[in-house]
Amino acid sequence: AQSVTQPDIHITVSEGASLELRCNYSYGATPYLFWYVQSPGQGLQLLLKYFSGDTLVQGIKGFEAEFKRSQSSFNLRKPSVHWSDAAEYFCAVGARGNAGNMLTFGGGTRLMVKP
Amino acid sequence: KAGVTQTPRYLIKTRGQQVTLSCSPISGHRSVSWYQQTPGQGLQFLFEYFSETQRNKGNFPGRFSGRQFSNSRSEMNVSTLELGDSALYLCASSLELGPGALHFGNGTRLTVT
Repeated sequence: AQSVTQPDIHITVSEGASLELRCNYSYGATPYLFWYVQSPGQGLQLLLKYFSGDTLVQGIKGFEAEFKRSQSSFNLRKPSVHWSDAAEYFCAVGARGNAGNMLTFGGGTRLMVKP
Repeated sequence: KAGVTQTPRYLIKTRGQQVTLSCSPISGHRSVSWYQQTPGQGLQFLFEYFSETQRNKGNFPGRFSGRQFSNSRSEMNVSTLELGDSALYLCASSLELGPGALHFGNGTRLTVT
């Protein structure tokens, strides 16, 4: 069974600073990989996804993520954080094959942005 | 285009009662998934429906059930509520079966007292 680990429960960065959120997964093959963001009282919004091909994936709101097979990682990055980026971020994996849209989520990383 | 709509937004129930939550997917989306979100367990997959058929089911007891109607709207039901069922229940829709992007609603916050 697949699993996802987000080692950092909380991260605080200053506005304008760069950001990297870590995600490690466990899966027997190359999974489908996703990053979602959740603001308080809201559902989840898809930031970006990786299915195959170029291992550097661009998403919305200036985010990008890099798939590293050798490290089983899919870290999320942003060069300059804005106060509106404060939210909780979830990494997720989906299984290939006939698994539908079932995703396994990591525990989340709560991002706080200092002015 | 309207997003995923979940009703009600908030619900308070007593232990032993049952509850039904509703989800209207984005127009044209045929896949509906349900997730439970709690502080302790995080986001956990409940089940997924596609064309009125349950395609996948997570590791939850039989008290949790769902269904999908011909117009793709979905309901989930929890019978004999327990305190541990207090959670945010999120519905997500997708155009097709995996691995498409899931579009989430804002959830139903269920509190069991």
